[in-house]
Amino acid sequence: DAGVTQSPTHLIKTRGQQVTLRCSPKSGHDTVSWYQQALGQGPQFIFQYYEEEERQRGNFPDRFSGHQFPNYSSELNVNALLLGDSALYLCASSTSYEQYFGPGTRLTVT
Amino acid sequence: GQSLEQPSEVTAVEGAIVQINCTYQTSGFYGLSWYQQHDGGAPTFLSYNALDGLEETGRFSSFLSRSDSYGYLLLQELQMKDSASYFCAVRDSNYQLIWGAGTKLIIKP
Repeated sequence: DAGVTQSPTHLIKTRGQQVTLRCSPKSGHDTVSWYQQALGQGPQFIFQYYEEEERQRGNFPDRFSGHQFPNYSSELNVNALLLGDSALYLCASSTSYEQYFGPGTRLTVT
Repeated sequence: GQSLEQPSEVTAVEGAIVQINCTYQTSGFYGLSWYQQHDGGAPTFLSYNALDGLEETGRFSSFLSRSDSYGYLLLQELQMKDSASYFCAVRDSNYQLIWGAGTKLIIKP
């Protein structure tokens, strides 16, 4: 049984560009959450998707958007990248209180 | 605002016991979770407390006191592989998971 997978592993973008990150949840999980983790900090909640709808959203600007597909996989899109968007982006899937995290995508904005 | 406070770093000796504390201030409370994260890795779930008291899972135990807005993670028989960052996280009234900044556990032989 595959766990949560994310792609790509690493990504380097330039300020102003747009990026799309992808996540496949653990088998049987229908809820996907996205987090941003800066170096030395705890994960910050971006948003959560359930049944293809954004169910909750953290304190992130509209430049951050997402999507969930019928097979429960999800995408995170970030527009107009800023240097401060450089971070580890984590995807987690869940069915209850326990969240299973993917390995993350390390985004570097130059 | 919402906040979780935990020590930034704790040092212990291999084989010893260590306790990592977490105090929280959130709008609503639906449980306290603990996660472990090794450098360069993803967080992995350790424990969850929704009610007051102690939960034990092998060498790890977690405690919650809702009246004190306080919890702790207890690690026994420390092993070098336990060197990692440990995060407490609270699910608030919006059912969002709010995370602490993490405690780096350093284990010396």
